[in-house]
Amino acid sequence: EAGVVQSPRYKIIEKKQPVAFWCNPISGHNTLYWYLQNLGQGPELLIRYENEEAVDDSQLPKDRFSAERLKGVDSTLKIQPAELGDSAVYLCASSLQAGAGEQFFGPGTRLTVL
Amino acid sequence: QKEVEQDPGPLSVPEGAIVSLNCTYSNSAFQYFMWYRQYSRKGPELLMYTYSSGNKEDGRFTAQVDKSSKYISLFIRDSQPSDSATYLCASSKDNDMRFGAGTRLTVKP
Repeated sequence: EAGVVQSPRYKIIEKKQPVAFWCNPISGHNTLYWYLQNLGQGPELLIRYENEEAVDDSQLPKDRFSAERLKGVDSTLKIQPAELGDSAVYLCASSLQAGAGEQFFGPGTRLTVL
Repeated sequence: QKEVEQDPGPLSVPEGAIVSLNCTYSNSAFQYFMWYRQYSRKGPELLMYTYSSGNKEDGRFTAQVDKSSKYISLFIRDSQPSDSATYLCASSKDNDMRFGAGTRLTVKP
């Protein structure tokens, strides 16, 4: 069974440019998460989806970040415009259903903003 | 104060040693407790998953949860160089998961 797929793996952009990350969760997993991980820190939740619905986006900086999961499968996270402080690893995770603690992570996208 | 506290280390041990990794948490509503292993430039990989208090063993790994003291532990027996990674503890209720900062472990041959 394929795991969580993310692309690109690495992205280098200049500040004020837009950037987008893509995630394909494990087949059949209804819940999808986007996390941000800074160096030397644990992942921090940005947004959680139950199927197509964003059920927790309280930590998403909505002035520059947006996300979508149109058909309840793949998801895209966008930053526009990017700032220097956005340099981090963006992780996508999925779980079978709400309430279960087992989340499975993708390899992440490492973003560098110059 | 973060909801899940973890000593970042680094921790260095010789091959074959018993490793003890620990976390504390503050939210008594947490029900699920996890340990993830993260190799450099990789995503976290679920290692152990426990519900409520007690012990869970899987091969060389034992996870221990003490809800009365809000203490989470991971023990690694007969540690191997391939165990060198960052270990993240996590606690959750419903789908709200909080991670510790991770402990970087090096097992030297």
